[in-house]
Amino acid sequence: AQKITQTQPGMFVQEKEAVTLDCTYDTSDQSYGLFWYKQPSSGEMIFLIYQGSYDEQNATEGRYSLNFQKARKSANLVISASQLGDSAMYFCAMREGYSGYALNFGKGTSLLVTP
Amino acid sequence: DGGITQSPKYLFRKEGQNVTLSCEQNLNHDAMYWYRQDPGQGLRLIYYSQIVNDFQKGDIAEGYSVSREKKESFPLTVTSAQKNPTAFYLCASSIERELFFGEGSRLTVL
Repeated sequence: AQKITQTQPGMFVQEKEAVTLDCTYDTSDQSYGLFWYKQPSSGEMIFLIYQGSYDEQNATEGRYSLNFQKARKSANLVISASQLGDSAMYFCAMREGYSGYALNFGKGTSLLVTP
Repeated sequence: DGGITQSPKYLFRKEGQNVTLSCEQNLNHDAMYWYRQDPGQGLRLIYYSQIVNDFQKGDIAEGYSVSREKKESFPLTVTSAQKNPTAFYLCASSIERELFFGEGSRLTVL
């Protein structure tokens, strides 16, 4: 069964606007971590933000914030003040258990920022 | 500079040939991973290793093999048993939280 679901294959946003990328997850573990990665057309994977399941506050990293709704099993990425360089694929991922385990990735959302 | 180096960046092979993708890290990370990415798809786990001389199969291990003889190195062999090996392969490592990725190797089977 799919553990990470990203329902938006593609999104458009105008420069300087905010955009929300959706992510829902499925786990029965109490301890887990949620991640967002950015993949530009070059192919590299860039870590953006992390939210632990026990973290009470939503994570923020610069223009990125993670809207964590535990009861709904939702971990949406919010990008504020979009820039042309934000155009890329965005992947939501989850790690269950402790740090040595691998991440499960969603299928990604392609974001295009227009002038 | 510390990081993860994957080679080669592009690789072409004929059907029926084995090919080995290299992954080297100088981050002193214990855990290393191999993922496969197909167009329009997320990353799928092939193999991972939490410690030297030990590794576990991921979701799509069939047709692949790995070794972990040194902490710094985690090579992936794509064997002729892999039915559809054309893909983008990403190696990663971690010590605590997030994964750090290499730049990837793009394998095309002719």
